[in-house]
Amino acid sequence: AAGVIQSPRHLIKEKRETATLKCYPIPRHDTVYWYQQGPGQDPQFLISFYEKMQSDKGSIPDRFSAQQFSDYHSELNMSSLELGDSALYFCASSSRLVGRPDTQYFGPGTRLTVL
Amino acid sequence: GESVGLHLPTLSVQEGDNSIINCAYSNSASDYFIWYKQESGKGPQFIIDIRSNMDKRQGQRVTVLLNKTVKHLSLQIAATQPGDSAVYFCAENEGTSYDKVIFGPGTSLSVIP
Repeated sequence: AAGVIQSPRHLIKEKRETATLKCYPIPRHDTVYWYQQGPGQDPQFLISFYEKMQSDKGSIPDRFSAQQFSDYHSELNMSSLELGDSALYFCASSSRLVGRPDTQYFGPGTRLTVL
Repeated sequence: GESVGLHLPTLSVQEGDNSIINCAYSNSASDYFIWYKQESGKGPQFIIDIRSNMDKRQGQRVTVLLNKTVKHLSLQIAATQPGDSAVYFCAENEGTSYDKVIFGPGTSLSVIP
């Protein structure tokens, strides 16, 4: 079965640079979520989109922005990168259910290293 | 703030034994809980979920128990196998949002052959 695809899998950037992470949800999934996982930590919810509109927002820094496109893929844009942004970034997708939480399926993640 | 947390950071079990991973939550309004398995270098993998109107749910070799009285969640893995070695997270879906999944700190399960 097709899974969530994330690219790139690894990314190395310098401080103050920008980075763009891409997420391709499972076919027919209409909702995407972004999470950040620091070393040895649990994943932290950043932001989510449903039908190209922002659905919910978590602990996403103002330096980060994201959007979902007409083909449902999503991009997380990160500017003015800091050392503390080094982490695994996961995208998850789901098919929105009415009146109950969706089951989120996670991608393999993008490992961002800021030097 | 309210959060989900695990009792033990590490757990070692003998292959073939049953494993029990515990989780305490503090948000009494939570109505949906999920267990995820994360292997090294991979994304969290959905294992099983349970809603607050249930106290037990079974899957293939896994059982989740929910005790709302003491706000406790557990994951039982039957006949633990080496492939079960991973970090296990319990997660809570906030009642006010179906999107925001709050992960607790993980428990690292090591299976001894």
